[in-house]
Amino acid sequence: SQTIHQWPATLVQPVGSPLSLECTVEGTSNPNLYWYRQAAGRGLQLLFYSVGIGQISSEVPQNLSASRPQDRQFILSSKKLLLSDSGFYLCAWRPLRGTASSYEQYFGPGTRLTVT
Amino acid sequence: DQQVKQNSPSLSVQEGRISILNCDYTNSMFDYFLWYKKYPAEGPTFLISISSIKDKNEDGRFTVFLNKSAKHLSLHIVPSQPGDSAVYFCAASAAFFMGLTFGEGTQLTVNP
Repeated sequence: SQTIHQWPATLVQPVGSPLSLECTVEGTSNPNLYWYRQAAGRGLQLLFYSVGIGQISSEVPQNLSASRPQDRQFILSSKKLLLSDSGFYLCAWRPLRGTASSYEQYFGPGTRLTVT
Repeated sequence: DQQVKQNSPSLSVQEGRISILNCDYTNSMFDYFLWYKKYPAEGPTFLISISSIKDKNEDGRFTVFLNKSAKHLSLHIVPSQPGDSAVYFCAASAAFFMGLTFGEGTQLTVNP
């Protein structure tokens, strides 16, 4: 079966510090990978998605970047955090099922980031 | 520009009754719709989905209805159980590889 991991689970960082959040998927190959952010009391906002190694699509211009150095690894980064970067960050994956591709995405446990 | 809207931030129902959660969308390019359930501090859990070529999809106690002309979908939970209490998100997508566009969620509370 497939599992998705995110770490760390919680993080408190000062303004201006760097950020690196990691997401890995097990039990599947060549998944589509996604980063979302949920601000307090809001819905999920898509930040980045990747259809393959080294391929990143950005949905919202911001202080963050993403990379996919390996097939099942997705990293979210920032060089200098802002207060507005606080939120709940979720990684998701979507399985490839040949020509009968499914739209369903499956989410990791999330990382709670607080920028102080 | 809120392309997916859930206008009811909260809904309270009695155990055993029907829960109806609503969602409206504005983007005509959306062709697939999903419902997720979320507990605090956890990732969303996929519940049920529907393609735009259908108007109804059932899975156990959960049924999703799609009205394309009205750009409206709804999730019915029958019978509702206390364990169903959570935030429910409606989501939509215009292509299978793209990300999902989420509504702001509806907090469902099922009272014993």
